[in-house]
Amino acid sequence: KAGVTQTPRYLIKTRGQQVTLSCSPISGHRSVSWYQQTPGQGLQFLFEYFSETQRNKGNFPGRFSGRQFSNSRSEMNVSTLELGDSALYLCASSQQGRSPLHFGNGTRLTVT
Amino acid sequence: GQQVMQIPQYQHVQEGEDFTTYCNSSTTLSNIQWYKQRPGGHPVFLIQLVKSGEVKKQKRLTFQFGEAKKNSSLHITATQTTDVGTYFCAGINTNAGKSTFGDGTTLTVKP
Repeated sequence: KAGVTQTPRYLIKTRGQQVTLSCSPISGHRSVSWYQQTPGQGLQFLFEYFSETQRNKGNFPGRFSGRQFSNSRSEMNVSTLELGDSALYLCASSQQGRSPLHFGNGTRLTVT
Repeated sequence: GQQVMQIPQYQHVQEGEDFTTYCNSSTTLSNIQWYKQRPGGHPVFLIQLVKSGEVKKQKRLTFQFGEAKKNSSLHITATQTTDVGTYFCAGINTNAGKSTFGDGTTLTVKP
């Protein structure tokens, strides 16, 4: 089985721009979660999607949004980028929300 | 909201020494998961504990879930250089429906 695929691997954006990150889960997995990882802040939960519905949301501003498609692929969008948004964004899929998470390699976003 | 605290933040050991990381939740958990992230890599699932007082072993790794299902530990016996990385616990609360990760313990092993 192919693992979780995230694209792109690296992104460099400037303040004020917006960005869209993509995640393809493991085949058969219906739950997709997104996490932000920064040094010293650990893994911060952004949101979880299950069957195209947002099931849980973390404490991030409305600039962070996401969606899930009927094939379980997911995208997250960050609008009006700030320097503090620079981080590794990890996507994880699971069969259901409480099952073990399978992480992708992440997208490293740098905002200048 | 649910908080999961993990200590210590960093641990430096000599190869062959033991290592333990502790995870404490502010609320009772339905289950707890442990992950390992190698430098430059992504978190990889190690194990899930579900039952109160559960103990599971994977070779040199021993995982415990507390009787009250609010704390957990990971113990590595006789560390090796391949053990380096950051170990995260993730507490799952059925009511909250999401995984809350601890901040991780970063282990370095000196040969």
